[in-house]
Amino acid sequence: NAGVTQTPKFQVLKTGQSMTLQCAQDMNHNSMYWYRQDPGMGLRLIYYSASEGTTDKGEVPNGYNVSRLNKREFSLRLESAAPSQTSVYFCASSEKDGSTDTQYFGPGTRLTVL
Amino acid sequence: DAKTTQPTSMDCAEGRAANLPCNHSTISGNEYVYWYRQIHSQGPQYIIHGLKNNETNEMASLIITEDRKSSTLILPHATLRDTAVYYCIVSTSGTYKYIFGTGTRLKVLA
Repeated sequence: NAGVTQTPKFQVLKTGQSMTLQCAQDMNHNSMYWYRQDPGMGLRLIYYSASEGTTDKGEVPNGYNVSRLNKREFSLRLESAAPSQTSVYFCASSEKDGSTDTQYFGPGTRLTVL
Repeated sequence: DAKTTQPTSMDCAEGRAANLPCNHSTISGNEYVYWYRQIHSQGPQYIIHGLKNNETNEMASLIITEDRKSSTLILPHATLRDTAVYYCIVSTSGTYKYIFGTGTRLKVLA
């Protein structure tokens, strides 16, 4: 059981380049999330997918797009990277259990935009 | 979702109990209290959650005050590996939104 996996672990981009961050979970969870974490800050929600086929904006969606490819996979795309998008990106998944939905996080992707 | 307030940093001697407080005075009746920790720059790790009763698992205990306006995470015998940033989050199931503050940086001292 790998839990939540993310690829790549590290990435360096030039301003204007595009890339897709991949996330997969093997826990059969319905909900998936993308967060970013800037130095010294807490995590901020970019987008989430409550269930397969649905996506919604979080707190900081500008400059990003997402695709819920299937129940397992949720990708985050930067169409034209900017230095302000230099951050650590975390993917998470959760499943509703009664009145709670505990989130489980991947190891992160460290992105630098020059 | 309610906002939380935590101390910026705390120290704890190895082997002693670490008590991490969290204030959530605006919590509503259907909001749960969750605790996560983040070691170095790894992904946050779930620790424990509760609604109004005290909870205990293999990692920690969670004490929630009767008025639910504050809680305390207790690591009963802190080790050096417990050095991390601890986040207290309140959230309602189905809102799909955790609001992370800056957390408490716990340093366990040898």
